[in-house]
Amino acid sequence: EIVLTQSPGTLSLSPGERATLSCRASQSVSSSYLAWYQQKPGQAPRLLIYGASSRATGIPDRFSGSGSGTDFTLTISRLEPEDFAVYYCQQYGSSRGFGGGTKVEIK
Amino acid sequence: QVQLQESGPGLVKPSGTLSLTCAVSGGSISSSNWWSWVRQPPGKGLEWIGEIYHSGSTNYNPSLKSRVTISVDKSKNQFSLKLSSVTAADTAVYYCAREPSLSGTFDLWGRGTLVTVSS
Repeated sequence: EIVLTQSPGTLSLSPGERATLSCRASQSVSSSYLAWYQQKPGQAPRLLIYGASSRATGIPDRFSGSGSGTDFTLTISRLEPEDFAVYYCQQYGSSRGFGGGTKVEIK
Repeated sequence: QVQLQESGPGLVKPSGTLSLTCAVSGGSISSSNWWSWVRQPPGKGLEWIGEIYHSGSTNYNPSLKSRVTISVDKSKNQFSLKLSSVTAADTAVYYCAREPSLSGTFDLWGRGTLVTVSS
């Protein structure tokens, strides 16, 4: 079983700042089968990134993903007010599994 | 456009069986998509439960496999989840989700339904 560890648990930033979220896997994620989701309170998750670096349909280009193997990163270049939410990484190279999440909150 | 809607009892007794249905509207369940269940305990993270194809093929989370059954009803354009021997740890918001062509990612979600396990 691949375990995903996200850090930090909480990121306190101001609108306009850059956010860098980390997702580390306990073993290599094959073919970069790594996705990122955004979840706001009371809502279902929303797919942002798949294949480690491809943006899903309709996702603004301020969201970008990178990484391979065991280390992956989600970057939000300039935080907009609507970006404050919880972000989850998910691997789909071996079954499916999610990380514990990173909360991006307003500083 | 395609929409997903979960339904089922909001309260289940311990040791009982949790049963939920996900209705697919605006599209056919017999398309090239897989259909999944994902749950989220209150205030916690996401856990994938399992998935089904319209042919009836299934994949389950190994940690839940012994208690989970996912089935499909093509005539009603819906799929269902049964989770047996539930405990308080199974209290969660249960989401159904679409996985395009066994891509591994979930591009469409239902709004979720809270199921509480309590006597």
